Amino acid sequence: EAGVAQSPRYKIIEKRQSVAFWCNPISGHATLYWYQQILGQGPKLLIQFQNNGVVDDSQLPKDRFSAERLKGVDSTLKIQPAKLEDSAVYLCASSAGDRGMETQYFGPGTRLLVL
Amino acid sequence: AQSVTQPDIHITVSEGASLELRCNYSYGATPYLFWYVQSPGQGLQLLLKYFSGDTLVQGIKGFEAEFKRSQSSFNLRKPSVHWSDAAEYFCAVGAHTDKLIFGTGTRLQVFP
Repeated sequence: EAGVAQSPRYKIIEKRQSVAFWCNPISGHATLYWYQQILGQGPKLLIQFQNNGVVDDSQLPKDRFSAERLKGVDSTLKIQPAKLEDSAVYLCASSAGDRGMETQYFGPGTRLLVL
Repeated sequence: AQSVTQPDIHITVSEGASLELRCNYSYGATPYLFWYVQSPGQGLQLLLKYFSGDTLVQGIKGFEAEFKRSQSSFNLRKPSVHWSDAAEYFCAVGAHTDKLIFGTGTRLQVFP
């Protein structure tokens, strides 16, 4: 079974530029998560989708971050415009999500550096 | 509010020695607890999880963890560490809506 796929793996941009990350979850997984992991910290949830609806986006900086999940499968996370403090690893995870708290499977992450 | 504390930022052990990584949580109800491992440049891999039942949980790679409600702890243990265990270890609690709240991690270094 294929795992969670993410691209690109690395991205370097200048501040005020835009950037987008892509995630393809494990086939059949209803729930998709985007986490931000700043160096030296644990991952922090940015947004959680159940199928293509948003369950939790309370920690998403909505003035610059946006995310969508088309047709309840793939998802994109966008930052526009980027700030220096957005430098982090962006992790996508998915879970079957139909029986309450279930195991989340993580992708390899996208490492973003904002200069 | 839910939170997870990993008091040890960095731990160094010799190969073959035993290991215990500490985790304390704050959560109003019976928690769902997880340990994940992250190798450099990799995503997080689940080591083990506790949902209910037996408080001693066995995981992959020879790891185990014990849930102690009275101490609000979920410490990770391994009787004999291998050099390949060097990585960052994260404890997490599962909150309502199924999101995970992570600790800040413990970096494990293994000396030969």
